[in-house]
Amino acid sequence: DTAVSQTPKYLVTQMGNDKSIKCEQNLGHDTMYWYKQDSKKFLKIMFSYNNKELIINETVPNRFSPKSPDKAHLNLHINSLELGDSAVYFCASSRDSGETQYFGPGTRLLVL
Amino acid sequence: RKEVEQDPGPFNVPEGATVAFNCTYSNSASQSFFWYRQDCRKEPKLLMSVYSSGNEDGRFTAQLNRASQYISLLIRDSKLSDSATYLCVVNRRGQGGKLIFGQGTELSVKP
Repeated sequence: DTAVSQTPKYLVTQMGNDKSIKCEQNLGHDTMYWYKQDSKKFLKIMFSYNNKELIINETVPNRFSPKSPDKAHLNLHINSLELGDSAVYFCASSRDSGETQYFGPGTRLLVL
Repeated sequence: RKEVEQDPGPFNVPEGATVAFNCTYSNSASQSFFWYRQDCRKEPKLLMSVYSSGNEDGRFTAQLNRASQYISLLIRDSKLSDSATYLCVVNRRGQGGKLIFGQGTELSVKP
């Protein structure tokens, strides 16, 4: 009965690799988000999709590309991983933009 | 200057104590205000929304002062299970649900 799920939970990879993180929500929400939490614990939004359409795109390197195949899924693909990409990535969803957001358990990415 | 500022703590308090956290935000267009709680190595979870008139949920009381751009959270009769990081969060008008998080205030409640 997990509401917002992410895979994988942990990801250790080498610099320069390409990796994807998947997110799924079974709440019937229209809006999904990706956040990054860095080592200083700041949570910062990266992207937001509403009904499969991109509505927020913060200043994120274009090595990061979100993809929403349907409104229950928002995946994050990262090309040419760099050391500074090491962080915890949280997916979230809300009924609509501006409503309460529910977060997934996070994906801990470590780039070596 | 960060858009949402909090004292990172840690606040170390005994069980049963009352503890207050403060938060300031710099953008006067901020429209909605929240306190989230984040346990170690877990995701943030909504603790409570903050309304202009102030609101209470059990042992937790949240206050908002729009003139001073200041938000507070008061926890009465602290429990060991209250140990966590408390995140002050604002949402700006017309920003499509974009939440701006403070750094968080760490609380440790000791027996």
